[in-house]
Amino acid sequence: EADIYQTPRYLVIGTGKKITLECSQTMGHDKMYWYQQDPGMELHLIHYSYGVNSTEKGDLSSESTVSRIRTEHFPLTLESARPSHTSQYLCASSRQTGHYGYTFGSGTRLTVV
Amino acid sequence: QQQVKQSPQSLIVQKGGISIINCAYENTAFDYFPWYQQFPGKGPALLIAIRPDVSEKKEGRFTISFNKSAKQFSLHIMDSQPGDSATYFCAAGRTGGGNKLTFGTGTQLKVEL
Repeated sequence: EADIYQTPRYLVIGTGKKITLECSQTMGHDKMYWYQQDPGMELHLIHYSYGVNSTEKGDLSSESTVSRIRTEHFPLTLESARPSHTSQYLCASSRQTGHYGYTFGSGTRLTVV
Repeated sequence: QQQVKQSPQSLIVQKGGISIINCAYENTAFDYFPWYQQFPGKGPALLIAIRPDVSEKKEGRFTISFNKSAKQFSLHIMDSQPGDSATYFCAAGRTGGGNKLTFGTGTQLKVEL
């Protein structure tokens, strides 16, 4: 049972709209991540955070932005959606120290028309 | 730049057979190698993980084999079942790397009756 929640699960939106994808976790994890998953399955890190007020861009360039005002909340925002943003967005979290597996949310499938 | 190469892209195995998925990495600083399992409509879930100080780790029907000199690791699923049909991702991370993981491109496994 997921302790990390993403909403909405599916979103169809028109070009130019501003959208925010929500991600919340109840595990007290300090580290959180956003991945973009291609239709071909590959996962690309687009943003990550080591804690409150800490955010960094990932390996894949993205026009989205993130914020981390509370430990449990890590929303992703697209100021002006475009068809090229159509993808699945996965949020994950992990413990602060050592190497521990990620806990992923179920994802948001975004379609921009 | 693909730092973790995964093969095959897809795999069909008969029920009861052995499924084998291979990954190769380039960065010798990687010291944590997890495998994730993803069902349609769900986020990836941690399946099993290994560190380079051991050559093999087994959990139930799932085994990771690790070859440090060859920079390769593989997932073996013994007695494969239809319920194992999913997409499998290998990943690699390094201590001090903020627990950021680099994922392979994924393998779609189908286990047929």
